[in-house]
Amino acid sequence: AQSVAQPEDQVNVAEGNPLTVKCTYSVSGNPYLFWYVQYPNRGLQFLLKYITGDNLVKGSYGFEAEFNKSQTSFHLKKPSALVSDSALYFCAVRDPWVSGNTPLVFGKGTRLSVIA
Amino acid sequence: NAGVTQTPKFQVLKTGQSMTLQCAQDMNHEYMSWYRQDPGMGLRLIHYSVGAGITDQGEVPNGYNVSRSTTEDFPLRLLSAAPSQTSVYFCASSLSNSPLHFGNGTRLTVT
Repeated sequence: AQSVAQPEDQVNVAEGNPLTVKCTYSVSGNPYLFWYVQYPNRGLQFLLKYITGDNLVKGSYGFEAEFNKSQTSFHLKKPSALVSDSALYFCAVRDPWVSGNTPLVFGKGTRLSVIA
Repeated sequence: NAGVTQTPKFQVLKTGQSMTLQCAQDMNHEYMSWYRQDPGMGLRLIHYSVGAGITDQGEVPNGYNVSRSTTEDFPLRLLSAAPSQTSVYFCASSLSNSPLHFGNGTRLTVT
């Protein structure tokens, strides 16, 4: 069965510093991986995805993520954090090799706080 | 440019009452799903549908029913509300293997 883990409930970073939000996954084949962001009282918004190809994926708002197959990780990164990046971040995985249209499985979320 | 629309935004129910959470999308997406979000639990899948007339259970389906009579609509029914169903409910839709588009959620309290 597919699963995803976000080992940190909370990440604090100073404005202007680089940020990393960690995600590891477990699937039987090659995964489809996604990052979403949730601002207060809103639904989740898509940031970026990895399907195939270049291991470094660039997304919205200056975020990027690196797919590492050997470490089964898909960490979210940004070179310089902004206060407005403060939000709840979710990693999600889908195993395309499972028969049928398997739905997306989400991690528990990591709350990012960027301090001015 | 509506996207995914959920109604109502807020609802308070008494234990044992029933209600339907509405979800509609105008993007002609074949895939629709319902998640619930609880503190420390992330998003858990309740039910999903890969097209009109087809539904399937997710991780936490007990106490909920769904139907998909049209491509646009995917209502979630609570048959007999329980306090354990107090949560924020999100509907989402997508094309196959494309990113999910989420509604803004329904905050449900069961007393």
